[in-house]
Amino acid sequence: GAGVSQTPSNKVTEKGKYVELRCDPISGHTALYWYRQSLGQGPEFLIYFQGTGAADDSGLPNDRFFAVRPEGSVSTLKIQRTERGDSAVYLCASSSTGANVETQYFGPGTRLLVL
Amino acid sequence: AQSVTQLDSQVPVFEEAPVELRCNYSSSVSVYLFWYVQYPNQGLQLLLKYLSGSTLVESINGFEAEFNKSQTSFHLRKPSVHISDTAEYFCAVRDPSAAGNKLTFGGGTRVLVKP
Repeated sequence: GAGVSQTPSNKVTEKGKYVELRCDPISGHTALYWYRQSLGQGPEFLIYFQGTGAADDSGLPNDRFFAVRPEGSVSTLKIQRTERGDSAVYLCASSSTGANVETQYFGPGTRLLVL
Repeated sequence: AQSVTQLDSQVPVFEEAPVELRCNYSSSVSVYLFWYVQYPNQGLQLLLKYLSGSTLVESINGFEAEFNKSQTSFHLRKPSVHISDTAEYFCAVRDPSAAGNKLTFGGGTRVLVKP
């Protein structure tokens, strides 16, 4: 099986534009997470899905950020009216509900640059 | 809220020398602890984890970490590093009693192994 994949790998946009970042988790993983990693920092939690529902969205910085996972597999992180401060690497991770539930498997990330 | 402190942002070390990466967390409750590694141009990979039981945990590539509850630390060590250990290392914590499964990361320690 393939690992977690994220598209695009890089995204350059202009301030004020709308962007969508996609995450394809490991097949069968019911839990999916989004993190944001700013330059020189560790990843920061954004949102966690269990199945189709957002079980914890406490890390979303404001209402410009929204994420969906309509069929319990692929997830899309949506950012409206982008700002230069949104520039970061956006990481997606997934985990199973089996014996190895504590291990989150990370994708390569999407590097977002807002000009 | 939990926090994780990695005291060293960069650690230069010569090949075959030992290395220790320090990690301290702030939590009064039981926690799960993790070390992730990010090799150049790659995604985060789990190196090792502590959930319960023996306070000394080991990875397959010679790293070990010891959970010290009284000092709220989870330092990572390797007795003899290789050039291939050049990477950024992140310590992370999770509260198992909290809803969800989010990880709180430290700021990372960049290890540069010199020949």
